[in-house]
Amino acid sequence: GAGVSQSPRYKVTKRGQDVALRCDPISGHVSLYWYRQALGQGPEFLTYFNYEAQQDKSGLPNDRFSAERPEGSISTLTIQRTEQRDSAMYRCASSLAAGSPTDTQYFGPGTRLTVL
Amino acid sequence: GDSVTQMEGPVTLSEEAFLTINCTYTATGYPSLFWYVQYPGEGLQLLLKATKADDKGSNKGFEATYRKETTSFHLEKGSVQVSDSAVYFCAVTGANSKLTFGKGITLSVRP
Repeated sequence: GAGVSQSPRYKVTKRGQDVALRCDPISGHVSLYWYRQALGQGPEFLTYFNYEAQQDKSGLPNDRFSAERPEGSISTLTIQRTEQRDSAMYRCASSLAAGSPTDTQYFGPGTRLTVL
Repeated sequence: GDSVTQMEGPVTLSEEAFLTINCTYTATGYPSLFWYVQYPGEGLQLLLKATKADDKGSNKGFEATYRKETTSFHLEKGSVQVSDSAVYFCAVTGANSKLTFGKGITLSVRP
């Protein structure tokens, strides 16, 4: 079946603009995660959902970042008033079980965000 | 919080050489351990995992054993191929399900 998809794959924006990044998880997967990866580093956790409920947003860097998953499937990560330091690869992952530490997370291809 | 330390890279090997990539971790609870791989131009994919002490994960000729006493999960392969050239990430989940990754290490295998 289809894997995790993300759109857009590449986004170039000007400083101060808002951006919305979309993630479509594997069908039937309960948990959805967002990570951010800087060049030369491993991904860092941002937030995650079980169904439509946001379980943990401790990794969101500041209040310009928000995420939602209103119907328990597709999720949107929104960054308001973008800054150059927001430039990174944003990765989404999904897993079958609800917040299980042993469950495999399946990653999408990522969205490369560049803020000019 | 949870953390993962990977050996510094990059690593360059000749085809058929033996590979070891070191990984140590700190985590709360009963952590699960993962190796993810990113091939050139592709996304992150799971290579192998182990969910309890002394478990061995294996896939595509790669192996890693969950060593609780040394808090390690070193990745090994007996004979690498050019197609194994990629970036390898060690990761842990501790008391919750969020993954904590190491910095990753780039492996290049020359013919």
